[in-house]
This record gives sequence, C-alpha cells and structure tokens, in this order.
Amino acid sequence: DIQMTQSPASLSASLGETVTIECLASEDIYSNLAWYQQKPGKSPQLLIYYANSLNDGVPSRFSGSGSGTQYSLKINSLQSEDVSIYFCQQNYDSPPTFGAGTKLELK
Amino acid sequence: EVQLQESGPGLVKPSQSLSLTCSVTGYSITSNYWGWIRKFPGNKMEWMGYISYSGSTSYNPSLKSRISITRDTSKNQFFLQLNSVTTEDTATYYCARSYMGITPFDYWGQGVMVTVSS
Repeated sequence: DIQMTQSPASLSASLGETVTIECLASEDIYSNLAWYQQKPGKSPQLLIYYANSLNDGVPSRFSGSGSGTQYSLKINSLQSEDVSIYFCQQNYDSPPTFGAGTKLELK
Repeated sequence: EVQLQESGPGLVKPSQSLSLTCSVTGYSITSNYWGWIRKFPGNKMEWMGYISYSGSTSYNPSLKSRISITRDTSKNQFFLQLNSVTTEDTATYYCARSYMGITPFDYWGQGVMVTVSS
C-alpha cells in the first residue's frame, strides 16, 4: 500500500493567516491526490482533487499544489469556519490510502 | 442532489457480523461507484471497498476475507457486511460515491458509529 505521511498533526493559527498542510507519498502518485475537510460532527467534504482542482462550491482561498510524492494544501485568509480536520488521500493505486489528518484550530 | 444515509446497529458483539445499509436518493446506484470508508477513534481513515454501477466489487486486501458489499438496485441501496468483528473494528462507518473506481469521494453519508463490545 502507498503510505501517506501528513504534517503537521495539529496546527493553531489566527484569523486571516495563511496556513499550509503537507502530504508526502511513499511513491510517485502522479498528482492523484485529494484533500478533504471534516468539520466537527460532520462527514468529510471533498475540497480538491487531482492535486490542484477545486471542487464545486469550495472557496477560492483553498488551493492545492504539488507533484510526484510531495503535495500541499494552502488556506489563505483563514476564516473561523475553516476549523476542521483535513485529510489527504491518494487515489493513484488501490487501495486508496489516507493521511493521518491535520487538526486546524484557531489561536 | 445526491444524498446518502447509513443505517444499522450501533453495537455489535465480538465475533459477530456487522451489517450496514446505505440508502441513496437523488441518483441511481446503477451509475458510478459506491464505497465504504471507516474512521477509527484517533482519526485514521481506511477505505474498505466499493461496488460498481455493474455490481462488480473491489475490496481492501486487509479485509478481503471478511468483507462483502452487495446492493439492491430496486431500493437504490447498497450494503456492507463485515464478518468476525473484533474491538478493532470499532469506528464510524461512512458510505460515499466516487465517479469512477478509486477516484475521490464527492458525496458522503453522515456516518454511523459502530462499537464492537460484549
């Protein structure tokens, strides 16, 4: 299985700040990388697919980048509603595998 | 709009079978792929498997001997059965849709928490 190493495990930031979450794959996943947001008590929501494509309805302050084995999710101008757990997931090879998650809190 | 809803018992005894139903509205399960994902306490997520528009299935090898995903197209539902459960199967179980195969999941159910305990 492809291992996804996500960092940091937790993150505290202020409103308006820019935050970055990273994901490292154990092998090249050719941009087959998705990011999900899971708000407390809710199901995961797809934010970004194919490393940098924004899903419908996702605010433009979210962006994804990366290639090969290294990927990142950037949130510009942090809002209170962005408090969530964020997961990366590779869908290059079966079984699809997830990062351990990053818990984003407000400072 | 596509909506998914999981249902099933919240408590299962060790060695028994876990059975969950995912009811889909707003979209036919005879299109696309329909999967099960679980989230363990501590946030680890695991893809369990899917059933395709044609009824073919694919499972996580880590579960292959214990898992079965089936469907009832007349009710637009698909099902998860996990046999011989242990306390390590305690998790929140989600059903979700992916466009094709293992592509990202764009619609999710709200999840159902299942505890395995005697």
